[in-house]
Amino acid sequence: GESVGLHLPTLSVQEGDNSIINCAYSNSASDYFIWYKQESGKGPQFIIDIRSNMDKRQGQRVTVLLNKTVKHLSLQIAATQPGDSAVYFCAETDSWGKLQFGAGTQVVVTP
Amino acid sequence: KAGVTQTPRYLIKTRGQQVTLSCSPISGHRSVSWYQQTPGQGLQFLFEYFSETQRNKGNFPGRFSGRQFSNSRSEMNVSTLELGDSALYLCASSLWTGGTQYFGPGTRLLVL
Repeated sequence: GESVGLHLPTLSVQEGDNSIINCAYSNSASDYFIWYKQESGKGPQFIIDIRSNMDKRQGQRVTVLLNKTVKHLSLQIAATQPGDSAVYFCAETDSWGKLQFGAGTQVVVTP
Repeated sequence: KAGVTQTPRYLIKTRGQQVTLSCSPISGHRSVSWYQQTPGQGLQFLFEYFSETQRNKGNFPGRFSGRQFSNSRSEMNVSTLELGDSALYLCASSLWTGGTQYFGPGTRLLVL
């Protein structure tokens, strides 16, 4: 069936470097994508979203890129900090408004 | 504005029992969705309620049910608990169906 998947289960990044987290989606009809961050013991926290009529959106230290041609989504975190250590999920909203989540990528920030 | 709140935060039950979890959405949000999160299956959608009506449902057995009240607060119930129901149950609210969802801290359920 349709699914959202992440390429890398764990990403180790040095503090101060930029992080790139990738996500592949298979439902070409999806028109809304969201990135969430989940820290240990907490619920997912909204980071940034993007609609299918855009290919780039920037927030504070984060940028989401959408490539509809290859059905790929990425989250870029600039100047990664220890507080960025968490699991990151991409999610897509189907036509019914249901969120489908990817498996998640664990980001580990090393000093 | 207060975020999504869930009660209780932790719960221990035994097989065969039933459990009710509660979720209070962000003020003004009318859609509430529930998810189950386990290490093996990740985040899985249970159901969504909007204006007291179930709008979407995931692939879970009928033991999992929910409801929404006129103040948008929602409850989910799991009957005849099984060991495999041990999970973090997350509630998320949004202004409308398909809107950006904001999550609560979750209720961690352990079934013994």
